[in-house]
Amino acid sequence: DLQLTQSPSSLSASVGDRVTITCRASQSISSYLNWFQQKPGKAPKLLIYAASSLQSGVPSRFSGSGSGTDFTLTISSLQPEDFATYYCQQSYITPPWTFGQGTKVEIK
Amino acid sequence: QVQLVESGGGVVQPGGSLRLSCAASGFTFHNYGMHWVRQAPGKGLEWVAFVRYNGSHKYYADSVKGQFIISRDNSKNTLYLQMNSLRAEDTAVYYCANDRLGDWGHGTQVTVSS
Repeated sequence: DLQLTQSPSSLSASVGDRVTITCRASQSISSYLNWFQQKPGKAPKLLIYAASSLQSGVPSRFSGSGSGTDFTLTISSLQPEDFATYYCQQSYITPPWTFGQGTKVEIK
Repeated sequence: QVQLVESGGGVVQPGGSLRLSCAASGFTFHNYGMHWVRQAPGKGLEWVAFVRYNGSHKYYADSVKGQFIISRDNSKNTLYLQMNSLRAEDTAVYYCANDRLGDWGHGTQVTVSS
């Protein structure tokens, strides 16, 4: 099965920082890559779909880029409400619909 | 607006069965495929199963193949997950979500314990 590897697994950052999370696929997935945010005790929320398209209602400080095997989620200026766990997920080679292992963004 | 409401979770003994339901509203349910995704305590997201809009095709994670059955009743706008021969490692919060994973329910807790 296709694997998605996120890095880092966790990071500490301050409000206002620029944060970058990467997701690497074990084989090409074109642009079929989504990013989710999950806060404790809550359902995941779709942030970015098709690698770089912003889901409706998501703040513009979130952006995604990449294609093929290497993808990036960027938060341009970290806000207090952005402290959460972020997951990438692919929908190119299915089943299965694979998730990355997650990146926890914590307050420095 | 879109609403997905899961129910049917609870505590069950190893080897037992549960049927989860996901009641959908606010969109044309019969036009969309649906997923079940789970999250074990302190762990990441794991895709479980998917059913096409009309129920014609069903797909399962290897970890639940032959154990879980996904189904839907489009007349009732409801998605189901029949879970059999439950094991401790099936303990998780189970979420239903639409085909693009753009809308999720709040989740239902399943605990397998003696």
